[in-house]
Amino acid sequence: SAVISQKPSRDICQRGTSLTIQCQVDSQVTMMFWYRQQPGQSLTLIATANQGSEATYESGFVIDKFPISRPNLTFSTLTVSNMSPEDSSIYLCSVEASGTSYEQYFGPGTRLTVT
Amino acid sequence: AQTVTQSQPEMSVQEAETVTLSCTYDTSESNYYLFWYKQPPSRQMILVIRQEAYKQQNATENRFSVNFQKAAKSFSLKISDSQLGDTAMYFCAFRVSGSARQLTFGSGTQLTVLP
Repeated sequence: SAVISQKPSRDICQRGTSLTIQCQVDSQVTMMFWYRQQPGQSLTLIATANQGSEATYESGFVIDKFPISRPNLTFSTLTVSNMSPEDSSIYLCSVEASGTSYEQYFGPGTRLTVT
Repeated sequence: AQTVTQSQPEMSVQEAETVTLSCTYDTSESNYYLFWYKQPPSRQMILVIRQEAYKQQNATENRFSVNFQKAAKSFSLKISDSQLGDTAMYFCAFRVSGSARQLTFGSGTQLTVLP
């Protein structure tokens, strides 16, 4: 398993501003994932971040709105840009276990409220 | 594309009783993995159990077991001797075997264990 931390754990932001969420893993991993969980909803994948390459975004998510950095094998950031109240969600990062178990381990999430 | 359906938005069970959560999925793939994740009020996503599609034997982890019916594309979770700490949102998830494949989540079932 992997231990994942996220910062901040929660934040309240003004509309029009940006917030950068950090994700730190205690071991080197190839792929990191960023999810959004809107209130009372399931998880939706925003993008997959590989070290050393551009993130791959899912349909409905664009790099200008959710830029991602992946500078090394243990760290990634997700920025939520030009925020609106519709961006109020929990944002989670996850990593996949090495090998073929395909188990994903999740960070504790960042609860974002946009006013 | 894969879809995962959880038809029970909410369920409750008395402490020490047994409860079964339902999950169905749709895929044309033959090699895949199925997971149940638990998200308590702390919002930390926790892997409960995993099932490889090529294995006929149902996975078991302590009080948690699955009933995997590949032909029916059904993957239910049975929780025995329910405990108050089992109160959480439970998500069924699906992943195709192979690299660079995403995890697809169901909509979730909120389970409440009653004292």
